[in-house]
Amino acid sequence: QKEVEQDPGPLSVPEGAIVSLNCTYSNSAFQYFMWYRQYSRKGPELLMYTYSSGNKEDGRFTAQVDKSSKYISLFIRDSQPSDSATYLCAISIYNNNDMRFGAGTRLTVKP
Amino acid sequence: DTAVSQTPKYLVTQMGNDKSIKCEQNLGHDTMYWYKQDSKKFLKIMFSYNNKELIINETVPNRFSPKSPDKAHLNLHINSLELGDSAVYFCASGGENNYGYTFGSGTRLTVV
Repeated sequence: QKEVEQDPGPLSVPEGAIVSLNCTYSNSAFQYFMWYRQYSRKGPELLMYTYSSGNKEDGRFTAQVDKSSKYISLFIRDSQPSDSATYLCAISIYNNNDMRFGAGTRLTVKP
Repeated sequence: DTAVSQTPKYLVTQMGNDKSIKCEQNLGHDTMYWYKQDSKKFLKIMFSYNNKELIINETVPNRFSPKSPDKAHLNLHINSLELGDSAVYFCASGGENNYGYTFGSGTRLTVV
């Protein structure tokens, strides 16, 4: 079993839709949870960071962590064509150390 | 100013050659990493260096060797390149007082 499981998609939605991206993980020792966005031919960039169960909101983005189910989600409200990218979840046991990435979900938002 | 810069951006080379990829960060981070991203976008950690000390060494072939002359640089040397080494290689840096890693823009390596 992989440490982090993420459906690679691809996922295609119309502009304005709510997008839900998800990851599951296997080791309850993981305490830090991140979402990265990667545009085509660019490096991943940090989008959201959290270390506790619950929701964290930043503009149109909401990160949700359920440690009891080992399940993390990223919601994008009012999706825009500029949100079209690959979204990678990442987890680690210690802060900024030995980060493990999911496979990435490729998202396309159509105008 | 680019926070994490890696060169070259593109590298096309023949099988059997030896090549190097350079990485520099100006963020003052303590740790630098090399990741390999395959065609399916899966990011796999290869190495990390913390204050010149190798702290992670995943099961990569010993043809790959990291070299860190100082805290701000982590170069990747690859000997006897093989077709399967074709991928995008990303350098990243992070600090224990920061959130998340900062990635470079990647080096697209093609072995022919």
